[in-house]
Amino acid sequence: EAGVAQSPRYKIIEKRQSVAFWCNPISGHATLYWYQQILGQGPKLLIQFQNNGVVDDSQLPKDRFSAERLKGVDSTLKIQPAKLEDSAVYLCASSLVGGGRRSDYGYTFGSGTRLTVV
Amino acid sequence: GNSVTQMEGPVTLSEEAFLTINCTYTATGYPSLFWYVQYPGEGLQLLLKATKADDKGSNKGFEATYRKETTSFHLEKGSVQVSDSAVYFCALISNTGKLIFGQGTTLQVKP
Repeated sequence: EAGVAQSPRYKIIEKRQSVAFWCNPISGHATLYWYQQILGQGPKLLIQFQNNGVVDDSQLPKDRFSAERLKGVDSTLKIQPAKLEDSAVYLCASSLVGGGRRSDYGYTFGSGTRLTVV
Repeated sequence: GNSVTQMEGPVTLSEEAFLTINCTYTATGYPSLFWYVQYPGEGLQLLLKATKADDKGSNKGFEATYRKETTSFHLEKGSVQVSDSAVYFCALISNTGKLIFGQGTTLQVKP
């Protein structure tokens, strides 16, 4: 079974520029998550999709971050304009179902995109 | 709300030493609990999990027991190896499927 694919692996941009990350979840996984992992901290959920609908985006800085999941499969996360404090690893994860104890299983992370804002 | 607290790192041990990394949680209800590991330059990997009170998760010589009375899920290993050097994250899963992580504990094992 192929894992969660993310690209690019690394990105360096200047502040105030825009950047986009792409994620392809495991085939058949209905739920997709974007996490932000700042150096020295645990991952923090930015947004959760169930198919192509948003379940939770309470921690997403909506003035500069946006995300979409077209057709309930691939997803993109965009930052515009970027700030220095956005430097982090952006992790995508998917699970077979969202919510309830069945989501204990099949929660798989991608390798992440390391963003450096200079 | 839901939260996870881990012991501060880094933890530095000699090879074959005993490891404990403390983890406590605050949650509504009885969440499932996890330990994830992140080796240098790699992504997050599930190390072990426990889904109900008194369950013991185990993998690769690591163990953790779900203690409801103390709201804890401490990670232990009897004899660490240099290859265990990594960052370890304790986490719980909310009833919406959201994983909530602790801040991570860096383990460095010296030969």
